[in-house]
Amino acid sequence: DTAVSQTPKYLVTQMGNDKSIKCEQNLGHDTMYWYKQDSKKFLKIMFSYNNKELIINETVPNRFSPKSPDKAHLNLHINSLELGDSAVYFCASSQGPPSLAGGPYNEQFFGPGTRLTVL
Amino acid sequence: DAKTTQPTSMDCAEGRAANLPCNHSTISGNEYVYWYRQIHSQGPQYIIHGLKNNETNEMASLIITEDRKSSTLILPHATLRDTAVYYCIVTRRGGGNKLTFGTGTQLKVEL
Repeated sequence: DTAVSQTPKYLVTQMGNDKSIKCEQNLGHDTMYWYKQDSKKFLKIMFSYNNKELIINETVPNRFSPKSPDKAHLNLHINSLELGDSAVYFCASSQGPPSLAGGPYNEQFFGPGTRLTVL
Repeated sequence: DAKTTQPTSMDCAEGRAANLPCNHSTISGNEYVYWYRQIHSQGPQYIIHGLKNNETNEMASLIITEDRKSSTLILPHATLRDTAVYYCIVTRRGGGNKLTFGTGTQLKVEL
C-alpha cells in the first residue's frame, strides 16, 4: 500500500484555470506538508498542517489554498493559474506534532509528486 | 537554520563506499543534521539524522566532526539504485518541522 499518495500524477491546464491536487496518507501521521519543486530543481516548503491546523505558510500567494478535511488528507487548491506555477508539487507527512523543545523532529515521508504544467 | 555547502556532483563505482561531504560551519547547538535523497522523478526520501554522535542505520552512516561544522554521509556499498541527489539539511528542534533543501549533491554510481 502506498504510504503517501497524490492525484493526479500529471496535470496540464491553461492559464487562468482553477485546479486542485489531492494528497492522502495512510500512515496515521498528524502533520502534512506541501512542497514545490521548480524547473531548476529547488525544493521549497509551502504549507504545513498539524491536525487540520495551519502551522507553516511560507509566503505563498493567496491563490494557493490548502484544505485539510481530516488529518489524513491535505489538498492543494490553486486559483487563477499562472505560467510560473508550473512545477512538481510534493505532499509529505510526518508523525506527531512539531516538537517545540527537546529531540529531533520526525522524518517526513514524501508522495510521488504531481507535475503541473500551465500553458 | 544553518546554511549547508555540498559539492555539486560526485561519481562512485558500484560496490565502493560513497562518501558525501557537507559543510555547516554556522551550525548552532540545538540544530540537527539530516540527510535526504531524491531519486530522479521521485519524492525525497529520508536517510539518516544526527546531533553530534555518529549514527548508522540500514541505509547509511553519518559521521559528524567533533566541532560539528561538517559531516559525511557514507553509503558503504553503493549500487546503481543509489544514484540520486543527496541533500544535507541542518535544522533546529521544533521550527514546525520545516525542511529547507539546498542544491544537494548529484551522486552518480557507475559500473
